[in-house]
Amino acid sequence: QSALTQPPSASGSPGQSVTISCTGTSSDVGGYNYVSWYQQHPGKAPKLMIYEVSKRPSGVPDRFSGSKSGNTASLTVSGLQAEDEADYYCSSYAGSNNFYVFGTGTKVTVL
Amino acid sequence: EVQLVESGGGLVQPGRSLRLSCTASGFTFGDYAMSWFRQAPGKGLEWVGFIRSKAYGGTTEYAASVKGRFTISRDDSKSIAYLQMNSLKTEDTAVYYCTRGLHRVDYWGQGTLVTVSS
Repeated sequence: QSALTQPPSASGSPGQSVTISCTGTSSDVGGYNYVSWYQQHPGKAPKLMIYEVSKRPSGVPDRFSGSKSGNTASLTVSGLQAEDEADYYCSSYAGSNNFYVFGTGTKVTVL
Repeated sequence: EVQLVESGGGLVQPGRSLRLSCTASGFTFGDYAMSWFRQAPGKGLEWVGFIRSKAYGGTTEYAASVKGRFTISRDDSKSIAYLQMNSLKTEDTAVYYCTRGLHRVDYWGQGTLVTVSS
């Protein structure tokens, strides 16, 4: 099962927005509304930021939003803050043979 | 407060076995599926497997890379999930995370490092 494709890096100045893409296939991202996004700071466990494409768990700022079009999902971080600097991973359900597949990860830098 | 605490990691030789435990608190453990993920040093995340709640049969599913070697089980009376890892390979070296849920993996443990090396 191939990993979902994410850009290796993205960056923005404080207050700006950054959007990260996550490209899969019709067997994963395009086939189900079970895309999640995780934030991971160095040496820490991942944290769920978005689930089911666009839903935010309680406690996650509304600066974080998710969407999907066809086989590509996106995470947008608006009003960038220094603490948003981290690695971000997307994940998608991929059916009952493969279940879950992850993206390659994107390092977000706040300039 | 929901807490997941993994234990049992360490250094093990190729071909040997290791069992990880995940002790949960702060929620009704038996109501939730529990999943395991891993992250090799400097690499991305990988789904390992999950166990459904008893209400959904308590059945398990595994990634192809570990199927037949790893077994997930649960003890709802103790709020503990287990990951039994047999026939370990050097490529199984990773931080292993215990998590709550399936499509919505909302809580993660701190992780435990498993190093497979001779």
